[in-house]
Amino acid sequence: EPEVTQTPSHQVTQMGQEVILRCVPISNHLYFYWYRQILGQKVEFLVSFYNNEISEKSEIFDDQFSVERPDGSNFTLKIRSTKLEDSAMYFCASSGSSIKVFFGEGSRLTVL
Amino acid sequence: GESVGLHLPTLSVQEGDNSIINCAYSNSASDYFIWYKQESGKGPQFIIDIRSNMDKRQGQRVTVLLNKTVKHLSLQIAATQPGDSAVYFCAENITGRRALTFGSGTRLQVQP
Repeated sequence: EPEVTQTPSHQVTQMGQEVILRCVPISNHLYFYWYRQILGQKVEFLVSFYNNEISEKSEIFDDQFSVERPDGSNFTLKIRSTKLEDSAMYFCASSGSSIKVFFGEGSRLTVL
Repeated sequence: GESVGLHLPTLSVQEGDNSIINCAYSNSASDYFIWYKQESGKGPQFIIDIRSNMDKRQGQRVTVLLNKTVKHLSLQIAATQPGDSAVYFCAENITGRRALTFGSGTRLQVQP
């Protein structure tokens, strides 16, 4: 069964450092997403991406965040200067034309 | 309202019993709903979805009920198994938007 894959599974970084989280969405999907989940809390929408541009973003997705589809298969989330409160699980997801969204296993980010 | 912190409502059932997990959604404009299962350290896994023009939908061992009048969604799991132990989230969406809004989750514990 096709699945969304994410790397790394866990990243530890120092506050102020840049982080890039990588994802390979399901191959025939059109929409790509990033969500995050702070430990013990609900899953929160960050951004959706379609046709090589951001289609929707939340208040969380401020200027410190950016997304890119550098080639035909990868989708990345960059955090420019990490803060302690960026520590969370970051989930990449994808969907076809419907809103039936499939999630990856997540990348755990720990900011020290 | 918002649910913050580590505490999740917990439903504890015996193996073989039926489980009912409830969700109150927030936006009366939402017209598409998904139930996700999240096992520890993993990403949300799609279980079943329902559109607002339906009030019931059945899958394999699962049924989702939607009551738009009171903005309530439930997930029924028949013959609950130990492998069903996880946190269950409902998520809502408004047609035309790509963001899913997740509820705060319910932990299901299945006792053998």
